[in-house]
Amino acid sequence: EVQLLESGGGLVQPGGSLRLSCAASGFTFSSYAMSWVRQAPGKGLEWVSVIGGSSDSTYYAGSVKGRFTISRDKSKNTLFLQMNSLRAEDTAVYYCAKDQSSSWYLVDHWGQGTLVTVSS
Amino acid sequence: QPVLTQSSSASASLGSSVKLTCTLSSGHSSYIIAWHQQLPGTAPRYLMRLESTGSYNKGSGVPDRFSGSTSGADRYLTISNLQFEDEADYYCETWDSNTQVFGGGTKLTVL
Repeated sequence: EVQLLESGGGLVQPGGSLRLSCAASGFTFSSYAMSWVRQAPGKGLEWVSVIGGSSDSTYYAGSVKGRFTISRDKSKNTLFLQMNSLRAEDTAVYYCAKDQSSSWYLVDHWGQGTLVTVSS
Repeated sequence: QPVLTQSSSASASLGSSVKLTCTLSSGHSSYIIAWHQQLPGTAPRYLMRLESTGSYNKGSGVPDRFSGSTSGADRYLTISNLQFEDEADYYCETWDSNTQVFGGGTKLTVL
C-alpha cells in the first residue's frame, strides 16, 4: 500500500524559511516522479513543483520559482521541499503526491497534507 | 501550457446520475487527464486516469458508480446512483513537459 507522510509544516514569519519532508513507502520511490501541490484556505489545488523519477529533473510553478527547491533522498525514500523567502500568499496546506510514472506528471496518490502558515 | 476549465458547481438528486465536465484548452484535446475527489476537510483522493480515447483506469477502491468518458476536448466524470457521501469537490488534472495543471474544481451538491 502506498503511503505518503508529510511533516515540517508550521507557523513562520514573512521572509522566513521552512523545509517540508514526505516519507514514502509501499512503492519503488526512485522509479516515480513526485510532486508538491498546495491548497490555500478555501481555494482550489495549485501545483507547486515536480521532480522526475529516473532523471531527477525539477520544475516549478512561476509563483515559487527561485524561492522553493524540490529534492529527494532515494536512500531514505524521502521527498523534500525547501521553502525560502516565504510570503503570506504561500499560506496553504501542502500535499506530497506520487505521480503515475517516472515521466508522467499525473498524481495517483496523495499524502494527508501539512499546514504552512506565513504570518507575523 | 494546457488550461483546464471546470464549472464551479453542480447539483443532482440522491440516487440520480451527474456528469461533470473538464475542458482542455485549444491545441490540447489529446491530453490525458486525472480526476480527483476531495471530501470536506480531507486530502484529495485519486479517482481515475482518463485518456482521449475514452479509456479510463480507476484507482484502488473507487466504486463502480464512477466512470469516465471523452468527447473531443471534453473529459467527463459520471457518478451514477448518487450518494450523500459523493458530495465533494472534484478536480481534473493534466500535465505538459514541465508543468502540472489543475482545473478550478467543481463543487458537487447532492440534494
